[in-house]
Order: sequence, then structure tokens, then C-alpha cells
Amino acid sequence: DQQVKQNSPSLSVQEGRISILNCDYTNSMFDYFLWYKKYPAEGPTFLISISSIKDKNEDGRFTVFLNKSAKHLSLHIVPSQPGDSAVYFCAASYRSGGSNYKLTFGKGTLLTVNP
Amino acid sequence: DSGVTQTPKHLITATGQRVTLRCSPRSGDLSVYWYQQSLDQGLQFLIQYYNGEERAKGNILERFSAQQFPDLHSELNLSSLELGDSALYFCASSPSGDTQYFGPGTRLTVL
Repeated sequence: DQQVKQNSPSLSVQEGRISILNCDYTNSMFDYFLWYKKYPAEGPTFLISISSIKDKNEDGRFTVFLNKSAKHLSLHIVPSQPGDSAVYFCAASYRSGGSNYKLTFGKGTLLTVNP
Repeated sequence: DSGVTQTPKHLITATGQRVTLRCSPRSGDLSVYWYQQSLDQGLQFLIQYYNGEERAKGNILERFSAQQFPDLHSELNLSSLELGDSALYFCASSPSGDTQYFGPGTRLTVL
């Protein structure tokens, strides 16, 4: 049972435009959400996160939106740059007995930004 | 650079063998997490240690075990290896909160 889903395996956008990556989750216990970027042969790099008490968090060109009622979050990248081309993973976690914050990941979306 | 180091970067071994993967967390981080990424699966949580104690277990096989030492580095031991264990193994660390910082991974190939 996939609790975090990224339904688009790939996305292609033009440089300078907006990239919107989507993620859906099924477990209503999740209360913290993260986006990671991953280049080939490297580990995931933390990008941005959002707590369930918020509906938006911004960091530079990256904004994450959370719609709890729809159990949906999205990552907006504006403007998109060729260097943003990578696999983006959505992840979710919840407190369960102390400091356990294991992450549940989606399968990723490959973003390609064309010059 | 996340500050998390993993060794070795690549490991090639044969079925039935045993290997040890090593992880050094970021300075000051008490939690270490291990994840497996195989071709057809996303990143799957294996196990978490916090300050030397096991805190959570995910889809970790009985042939796999881990520990965290007093200096907070961690080792993941994989034994009786099978072809299907070929994957990328990532270690992540965090101070105590939700954001985890990942190492570069160890690519394990079982022949």
C-alpha cells in the first residue's frame, strides 16, 4: 500500500517557466512533509519542508503548498532553471513514540528543464 | 555536501556473502536512519537508531542488522546476500527533528 504517491513519473518544462510537482498521501497521521532533490549517483538533498499546521512555505524559488483536506501537496519552482533537472521526491513523516520520524517516500518525479 | 559520509561508495560481492556498510552522521546528530533504494522501488525505510538505541524498524529483512556506536557512527550488516539485495543503501541523520540529511549512498551489487 503506497502511502505517498507521485503520479507523474516525469515532467518537462522550459527554462524560466514554473515547474509544479505534485504529491498525494493517504495516511492522515502524517504531519510533516518534505521535498528532496536527487541527482544520479548522489544522495537525496533536502529542499524544503512544511508542517501540517501551515498551508504554504517559501524558500527562494521553491514554494510548497499543503492541502490537508485533499491530502495533497505540491512543489512550485519559479523560475525553473536547467540545474533544477533532477528527480524530486516527496516524503512524509509523523511522530510515533518519541523521536521516531521515519520518512515515507513517493517514487519520485523526474524533472527536466529545457534551455 | 550534507555532512553525512558513507563508505564504501561501491561494493561488489557474491551471493551468500556478508557485507558491512558504514555511516558517519553529521556532527551533533543523534539519529541515524537507513534506507534502501532498489530499481523498482522508491526509498524504503529500513531502521532507525537514536543515540545508540534502536528506535524504529521498517521493512528490514532478518538477514540485515544494524547498530549505532558510542561515537554515533552506524553500521548496516547484510548477510546471506541474494541477487535481490542489489540496491543503493542510504544513511541519513537528523538532530532530533523531522528533517533528515542524506549521505551519498553505497551501491551494492550482488553477483
